Amino acid sequence: QKEVEQDPGPLSVPEGAIVSLNCTYSNSAFQYFMWYRQYSRKGPELLMYTYSSGNKEDGRFTAQVDKSSKYISLFIRDSQPSDSATYLCATHAGNNRKLIWGLGTSLAVNP
Amino acid sequence: EPEVTQTPSHQVTQMGQEVILRCVPISNHLYFYWYRQILGQKVEFLVSFYNNEISEKSEIFDDQFSVERPDGSNFTLKIRSTKLEDSAMYFCASWSGTGYSYEQYFGPGTRLTVT
Repeated sequence: QKEVEQDPGPLSVPEGAIVSLNCTYSNSAFQYFMWYRQYSRKGPELLMYTYSSGNKEDGRFTAQVDKSSKYISLFIRDSQPSDSATYLCATHAGNNRKLIWGLGTSLAVNP
Repeated sequence: EPEVTQTPSHQVTQMGQEVILRCVPISNHLYFYWYRQILGQKVEFLVSFYNNEISEKSEIFDDQFSVERPDGSNFTLKIRSTKLEDSAMYFCASWSGTGYSYEQYFGPGTRLTVT
């Protein structure tokens, strides 16, 4: 069973564009959802996490969860070349909080 | 700012050899994890460690793998007899385990190449 699905891209946008990154998940028991950013040859870095449904905003980033369709999104406004990275969605399961990951979407923001 | 460190950054080994990957989690964290990422594939959970014992492990984490916290700061992953398919990036992570913080902090990874 593929628990978290994510289109790997690559996605290429001009600087200043609004970027939309998406994942779907299969298990309705998942409640916490995260977006990690990974630069080349670095470890994942948490950008945002959300609980259940709804939106969460942090600066240029907005995370959105739609539990009815099992769909999670990350929007980046006014994208910058420094946003060029791989973005991974994840959820965690169980008391040990092990993370279950999407494949990651490679994003390039062109000056 | 606290960070997770990992050594070495790159390890090359021959098939059948033993390797030990080292991690120093954030000092006041209670949960420790190893994940791996084979090139072009998803990050995969290997094992979680809490209170000096394995709390959960995946199907990947077979008898060839072991983890240890030999002292109050290091957390190691040992692969006893490496296989070609063990070639991957290995990430260590730690979580405070308290309150409503769910952030797992990741180290920069160790790239393991088995030849």
